[in-house]
Amino acid sequence: NAGVTQTPKFQVLKTGQSMTLQCAQDMNHEYMSWYRQDPGMGLRLIHYSVGAGITDQGEVPNGYNVSRSTTEDFPLRLLSAAPSQTSVYFCASRRDRVGTGELFFGEGSRLTVL
Amino acid sequence: AQSVTQPDIHITVSEGASLELRCNYSYGATPYLFWYVQSPGQGLQLLLKYFSGDTLVQGIKGFEAEFKRSQSSFNLRKPSVHWSDAAEYFCAVGINSGNTPLVFGKGTRLSVIA
Repeated sequence: NAGVTQTPKFQVLKTGQSMTLQCAQDMNHEYMSWYRQDPGMGLRLIHYSVGAGITDQGEVPNGYNVSRSTTEDFPLRLLSAAPSQTSVYFCASRRDRVGTGELFFGEGSRLTVL
Repeated sequence: AQSVTQPDIHITVSEGASLELRCNYSYGATPYLFWYVQSPGQGLQLLLKYFSGDTLVQGIKGFEAEFKRSQSSFNLRKPSVHWSDAAEYFCAVGINSGNTPLVFGKGTRLSVIA
């Protein structure tokens, strides 16, 4: 059972480049989300989805796009990377839509924007 | 909206000593409370959760937490810390209402010394 899988684990970008962080879960979870983790800031929610075709913004959505075409996948797109997007990104999923169940996290993707 | 505060950014304890990590939440009704642990270079793992019932909850790795409504707190405790407990600990609060996402505290980093 793979759980939540994120790729790539490490990425270096130049300012203005675009890229997609991939997230896949094999638990048939309805809810998926992306967080960024920065020193002293904890985890901040970027975007989340409560099912295929449904997404919503979190606390820090600017500069990021998401889509949810399947239950399994929830990619995070950076259209024009900026140094402020240097961070560790975590994808997390939960079985149910409502906020009571356990979140399952991927191992993270460390992004550096030069 | 709910919020959560972890007053201690960094705590150092000796191996074998007891541990208490503080967590205070802000929410008008009874929230759903979680503690997650993040080992270096890893994603977050659920330690324990409180939804209702007994206010003292047991988790994995010998951790426990006590919900105190009067103090709006959900402190994490362990009677005897092991070197492998060195990690970052996050408290999180959720509510059973619609799609409201989980809100995380900024985390407490635990160092364990011999």
